[in-house]
Amino acid sequence: SYELTQPLSVSVAPGQTARITCGGNNIGSQNVNWYQQKPGQAPILVIYRGPNRPSGIPERFSGSNSGNTATLTITRAHAGDEADYYCQVWDINTAQFGGGTKLTVL
Amino acid sequence: EVHLVESGGGLVQPGGSLRLSCVASEISFSDYWMTWVRQAPGKGLEWVANINQDGSEKSYADSVKGRFTISRDNAKNSLFLQVNSLRAEDTAVYYCARGSVGYCSGGICYDVAFDIWGQGTTVTVSS
Repeated sequence: SYELTQPLSVSVAPGQTARITCGGNNIGSQNVNWYQQKPGQAPILVIYRGPNRPSGIPERFSGSNSGNTATLTITRAHAGDEADYYCQVWDINTAQFGGGTKLTVL
Repeated sequence: EVHLVESGGGLVQPGGSLRLSCVASEISFSDYWMTWVRQAPGKGLEWVANINQDGSEKSYADSVKGRFTISRDNAKNSLFLQVNSLRAEDTAVYYCARGSVGYCSGGICYDVAFDIWGQGTTVTVSS
């Protein structure tokens, strides 16, 4: 199966930019989706098929993808962005999630 | 606003079975791929199974293949997961989610993103 590698944790100061990476073999050739999950809640989709944001997701969230790394970027981070973030790709009728990254805003 | 509501979880002994259900509050349920994703306590998300719009295509994670069966009833806007031969490592919150397809070609669909999620139902396997 296709493996996706994420850092366990990322920290960012309030108001700064957080970047969460997702590594995979030639992931730049795939569309990557990103999910946010806060404690005790279901995941929500924040970025889909590369750079697209569902309605209701702030413009502060963006996605990019090149080579072997996809990146979720969160600008002007604040305490409400603290959550676990997961990348995901679709591969011939199966889905693969990254291991998840805990974002801390401190 | 679309809602997905799961049910059917509970405490079950190793080797036991459960039938998980997910009901969608929308009349276009039959237009979408549907999936089950689980999350063990303190762990990340694990994809479990997918089913296409008419139920003719099903896929399973290797960890559940042969033990779990995904199905759907479009007339009742319902998705199911029959889980058999349960093991301790199947203990998790099970989420159903709607799959938004990028495009389909030659009978294969690509770039599916899970845009609507239920709140989950908890399965605990323990003696």
